[in-house]
Amino acid sequence: EVQLVESGGGLVQPGGSLRLPCAASGFTFSNYWIHWVRQAPGKGLVWVSRIKYDGVTTNYADFVKGRFTISRDSAKNTVHLEMNNLRAEDTAVYYCVRGAMGFYYFDYWGQGTLVTVSS
Amino acid sequence: QSALTQPASVSGSPGQSIAISCTGTSSDVGAYNYVSWYQQHPGKAPKLMIYDVTNRPSEVSNRFSGSKSGNTASLTISGLQAEDEADYYCNSYTTSSTYIFGTGTKVTVL
Repeated sequence: EVQLVESGGGLVQPGGSLRLPCAASGFTFSNYWIHWVRQAPGKGLVWVSRIKYDGVTTNYADFVKGRFTISRDSAKNTVHLEMNNLRAEDTAVYYCVRGAMGFYYFDYWGQGTLVTVSS
Repeated sequence: QSALTQPASVSGSPGQSIAISCTGTSSDVGAYNYVSWYQQHPGKAPKLMIYDVTNRPSEVSNRFSGSKSGNTASLTISGLQAEDEADYYCNSYTTSSTYIFGTGTKVTVL
């Protein structure tokens, strides 16, 4: 069974940092892109970032460039989202999402972890 | 562009058909046939309904269908059922190698 389990969410002050791990299981991790998608409370889905199975190729939404870094550890089947200089508008549920192999859509989603940026 | 444009809400009676539009630009929806649609019930993770504009995963009801013309994609739900009441989001791959979601549409079954 494909599973994506996010953790690391919580309350952080503006300007602070947080690192979100996503543990993957039930599939060949090294074959898939992994994405992060976020959803502010009561708002819509927003794509944040993705990392290729090679662990080198990454892409980011413009609003997080220079503040967020995505990485992956193939030995531990884990993807991380490092978030720095957090702002109130970064408050959201962050979903770890698998990109369908060879396609441009998302086929499995984690349950999400809530990040709250507030003083 | 921060998001693809969808109507905020669409409603219909059981058994009716409804359509949800998703308007983008020549840099996203109009650039490729990589539009997908997701259904989200309150408090739940999104679920894939349509991919590559018109393709439906095997586990999704054939009441759901997709299409595209130019920079606008559409999701049609036929034979509307109470369980279809949810939020729906379109998504497109872009020429910048990123992805963009729609603003979301709340579907209400009257």
